Amino acid sequence: KNQVEQSPQSLIILEGKNCTLQCNYTVSPFSNLRWYKQDTGRGPVSLTIMTFSENTKSNGRYTATLDADTKQSSLHITASQLSDSASYICVVSVGRVSGTYKYIFGTGTRLKVLA
Amino acid sequence: GAVVSQHPSWVICKSGTSVKIECRSLDFQATTMFWYRQFPKQSLMLMATSNEGSKATYEQGVEKDKFLINHASLTLSTLTVTSAHPEDSSFYICSARTSGGHEQYFGPGTRLTVT
Repeated sequence: KNQVEQSPQSLIILEGKNCTLQCNYTVSPFSNLRWYKQDTGRGPVSLTIMTFSENTKSNGRYTATLDADTKQSSLHITASQLSDSASYICVVSVGRVSGTYKYIFGTGTRLKVLA
Repeated sequence: GAVVSQHPSWVICKSGTSVKIECRSLDFQATTMFWYRQFPKQSLMLMATSNEGSKATYEQGVEKDKFLINHASLTLSTLTVTSAHPEDSSFYICSARTSGGHEQYFGPGTRLTVT
């Protein structure tokens, strides 16, 4: 069964601190992995996308890593800001026989940054 | 580019009535649109996939007669929740994808409250 699990479920950190969110997946066939940020009451916004051959991808203060052997990914947030408070969703894209792709969503990590 | 809008952003309706939610791709042609539902503190759950000009494909457990999807043009898909009940109260998010594309672009979501 295709699954994407994230940890921790929720996290509280102080402004300026760093944090790392984890994503483990059991998906086949793997196409790519994305990290999204979802503000409360809004749709998800893409942060990074990585294919099988990519180990790391950065977007400003966000750095994602991918270990395709262990099927793990992480999202590291550097020097957190209050505006980083949101849910972060790991999404793995699965290839289909038809040639299309399906997104498998993780359960998300709710991050709260305190002043 | 790749902007997806939803209308309305929030709606309150009485139990037993129907409500229509629109999803528009503003600056690209979306051959495929996806409808998701998200309950509080949970991740997105795919309800159905719609391709322009053809019938939508519903995920297991989603009632096609209750959630009517129309994708009549390359820029517009609608989701109609018929005979809404309080348990249908949720956050509904659409996404759109171009022909042959892998990326899904998400709308901002519609908050439905059924009283």
